[in-house]
Amino acid sequence: SQTIHQWPATLVQPVGSPLSLECTVEGTSNPNLYWYRQAAGRGLQLLFYSVGIGQISSEVPQNLSASRPQDRQFILSSKKLLLSDSGFYLCAWRVAGALYGYTFGSGTRLTVV
Amino acid sequence: GENVEQHPSTLSVQEGDSAVIKCTYSDSASNYFPWYKQELGKRPQLIIDIRSNVGEKKDQRIAVTLNKTAKHFSLHITETQPEDSAVYFCAALTGGGNKLTFGTGTQLKVEL
Repeated sequence: SQTIHQWPATLVQPVGSPLSLECTVEGTSNPNLYWYRQAAGRGLQLLFYSVGIGQISSEVPQNLSASRPQDRQFILSSKKLLLSDSGFYLCAWRVAGALYGYTFGSGTRLTVV
Repeated sequence: GENVEQHPSTLSVQEGDSAVIKCTYSDSASNYFPWYKQELGKRPQLIIDIRSNVGEKKDQRIAVTLNKTAKHFSLHITETQPEDSAVYFCAALTGGGNKLTFGTGTQLKVEL
């Protein structure tokens, strides 16, 4: 069966520090992968998605970047965090080309101080 | 552009009553519409979905209806229970079928 792993679960980082969040999927090949951010009490904002290795689509301008170095690995990064980067970051995957919903990872709660 | 509007933003019902959440979408090419439930501090979980070739789908106390002509779809929860309290998100498959565009969420509170 397919599983999605996301880590770390919580993170407290100072302003200006770098960020690296990792997401991996097991039990499937060539998934579509997604990074979402959810501010406190708010909706789901799509940050990046990828339909294949090295293919990244950015949805909103920001100081974050994403990379997909392997088929089932999706990484969210920042060189210098801002206070406004605080939030709940969710990775998700879905079967490419199929009418299926996302399966979300357990999320990373990032607090920038 | 792609847009999904969701109403109401908050909904309070008495235990045992029904709850209805409504969404509209803009992308006429959308053909898949899932609903997610998110409990506080947890990940969103898929609870039901509907495809564009179906007008209604039911799973126990939860049902979803779709009107493609009007481009709106709704979630119906009957006989609500306290454990139904959560934030509910609708979504539509957009971007050529590559991504889900989410509504802004509905905070449902079921009161005893």
